[in-house]
Amino acid sequence: DTGVSQDPRHKITKRGQNVTFRCDPISEHNRLYWYRQTLGQGPEFLTYFQNEAQLEKSRLLSDRFSAERPKGSFSTLEIQRTEQGDSAMYLCASSFGEGDEKLFFGSGTQLSVL
Amino acid sequence: DQQVKQNSPSLSVQEGRISILNCDYTNSMFDYFLWYKKYPAEGPTFLISISSIKDKNEDGRFTVFLNKSAKHLSLHIVPSQPGDSAVYFCAASALSELIFGQGTELSVKP
Repeated sequence: DTGVSQDPRHKITKRGQNVTFRCDPISEHNRLYWYRQTLGQGPEFLTYFQNEAQLEKSRLLSDRFSAERPKGSFSTLEIQRTEQGDSAMYLCASSFGEGDEKLFFGSGTQLSVL
Repeated sequence: DQQVKQNSPSLSVQEGRISILNCDYTNSMFDYFLWYKKYPAEGPTFLISISSIKDKNEDGRFTVFLNKSAKHLSLHIVPSQPGDSAVYFCAASALSELIFGQGTELSVKP
């Protein structure tokens, strides 16, 4: 399977705990994106990488959130001191790069903060 | 401020008929528009797109229309099939990110 894969599919955690999600993009893709989706809303942009460089971060991405893409391949998204408001579907997407607006999404990680 | 809006949360259509999903946007700088389809527990999958220099793009049963003066786009599905039942998101390209609407849940009844 050469699509975007995300792990885990589901995560249940207690408020105040740290969580980390992983995304493996399509191998030929240079850009990797993180989005968040809550019930009844469309995906909201969080951040994106061009290879290993994080080029843009949304104001939705508070200081408790950090994303990395150390070798320009897979990426991790960490949320520290989780809050109930962090409960959402976290989606990863990838694309070839500048000029290619078509994003390919993974199946997402559903986070529930109790 | 919602730059991309889908004002109909749901739409129900009979199998074989046309489904029309609508989307409005506010930013005239958007230069590319896309439609995504999403099933429960899955990520959105790309359906069809259109550049701002065009007013129509067709792919099989799916056609997207763009009216720049009205800042409106629509997705037509004809004929609709039960397998088309899903949530449909329109998205607009702004520099490096896609901005999504809230989605319209389409239900195609046999």
